[in-house]
Amino acid sequence: KQEVTQIPAALSVPEGENLVLNCSFTDSAIYNLQWFRQDPGKGLTSLLLIQSSQREQTSGRLNASLDKSSGRSTLYIAASQPGDSATYLCAGISSGSARQLTFGSGTQLTVLP
Amino acid sequence: GAVVSQHPSRVICKSGTSVKIECRSLDFQATTMFWYRQFPKQSLMLMATSNEGSKATYEQGVEKDKFLINHASLTLSTLTVTSAHPEDSSFYICSAAIGRQSGEQYFGPGTRLTVT
Repeated sequence: KQEVTQIPAALSVPEGENLVLNCSFTDSAIYNLQWFRQDPGKGLTSLLLIQSSQREQTSGRLNASLDKSSGRSTLYIAASQPGDSATYLCAGISSGSARQLTFGSGTQLTVLP
Repeated sequence: GAVVSQHPSRVICKSGTSVKIECRSLDFQATTMFWYRQFPKQSLMLMATSNEGSKATYEQGVEKDKFLINHASLTLSTLTVTSAHPEDSSFYICSAAIGRQSGEQYFGPGTRLTVT
C-alpha cells in the first residue's frame, strides 16, 4: 500500500526566499504524482502533475521533480511571496490502484512579508 | 476548463438527520468520481470511488450504509450522510477524473458539514 510522507509539517520563510518542499513515497510503482495547494477552509488547487515517465514539471515559479528510484518528489518555489502561504499537499497514484490518490499530510507554508 | 462544483459549501444539521452533498463536473464528463473527508489539520482520506452507473467502492472502515453514494450521470455524484452524528462533522471534498490514462483528478471546493 502506498504511503506518502511530507517533511517538514510546517515552514516559515521570509518573502523572496527560494524554498523546497519534500515528499516521499513508499511504492516506486507510481503512476503519477501531483502537487496541490490548499488554502484554509478551501478545496484543492492542482499545481503540477508529473507522469511516471517524466522527471519534472514547471509552471511559473514552481518546479516539481520526481525520482521514482529514491521514492522522492520535491516542489521548488522560487522567489516566494506572501500569497504563496498555504498548505501544500503531494499525492500519488500507484499503478493498478484504480487511480486512487494517496495524500501526504501536507506542509503548511507561511511566507512572511 | 475542468471545473468541479460542490453544493452546499456549508451545512449545519442536527444529529440524526441526513444530509446530501452534490458534486458536479461542469464542463467535462467524469468517468470516475472520488469522495474524500478531511479532519482539521489532517490530510485527505479517500472514502469511496464511484463510477457512473455502478456501485461505489468503499475504502476499508467506511460504512457504505452510512455514506450513500449515487453516481447517476457522468456529471453528477451525490454523497448522503445518513443519520449524521457529531463525529461525522468534517470537510468533505469530491474529485472527478477525466479519461482513463492520465489519472489527473480535479477537485471541488469542498463542503463543511457540522452536526450539532
